[in-house]
Amino acid sequence: GESVGLHLPTLSVQEGDNSIINCAYSNSASDYFIWYKQESGKGPQFIIDIRSNMDKRQGQRVTVLLNKTVKHLSLQIAATQPGDSAVYFCAEDSAGNNRKLIWGLGTSLAVNP
Amino acid sequence: NAGVMQNPRHLVRRRGQEARLRCSPMKGHSHVYWYRQLPEEGLKFMVYLQKENIIDESGMPKERFSAEFPKEGPSILRIQQVVRGDSAAYFCASSYNSQGGTEAFFGQGTRLTVV
Repeated sequence: GESVGLHLPTLSVQEGDNSIINCAYSNSASDYFIWYKQESGKGPQFIIDIRSNMDKRQGQRVTVLLNKTVKHLSLQIAATQPGDSAVYFCAEDSAGNNRKLIWGLGTSLAVNP
Repeated sequence: NAGVMQNPRHLVRRRGQEARLRCSPMKGHSHVYWYRQLPEEGLKFMVYLQKENIIDESGMPKERFSAEFPKEGPSILRIQQVVRGDSAAYFCASSYNSQGGTEAFFGQGTRLTVV
């Protein structure tokens, strides 16, 4: 089946730097995407979402970019902090009335002090 | 408003035993989703339920696995005759409707270990 995948399995950044986490998706019919953060031993936590009729959306310190032409999604974290260390997943909301998130494998972000 | 509550947090079962995982959705949420996560992998959809109804169980194995969401009480994911391959983290999420774009809130998960 179609799936969502990630370019980089691990990312190490210095505290204060900006982080960019990338994601590729293969279902061109998908119209909604979500980034989740998962800390060790915890459930996924919603970060930010974007619909396919947008190419950029900003939150607090985070920005999601969507490039439908190449089916690429990215999460930008500004001024990365130690508390940002976690695994980040992009998820794709399947078409239809039912909501079944299709998840990528995840990128582990390590923030060095 | 308490979040999604799952219990137990950790569950150890011997091969052949039954595992029962519970999920209480957020207040006001009537849509529940169960996901399974293997180590270092993303979550995999298992089943989607509304009160008293299974809407989509396409991600759930046909044998040994069942789910329910009764009118009163938590949603239950039941695994009969567990095998080592069932060891994983099981997450429950809830939302107030099923429309695309509605945020689902996740519980802390139940980590099942089959010995």
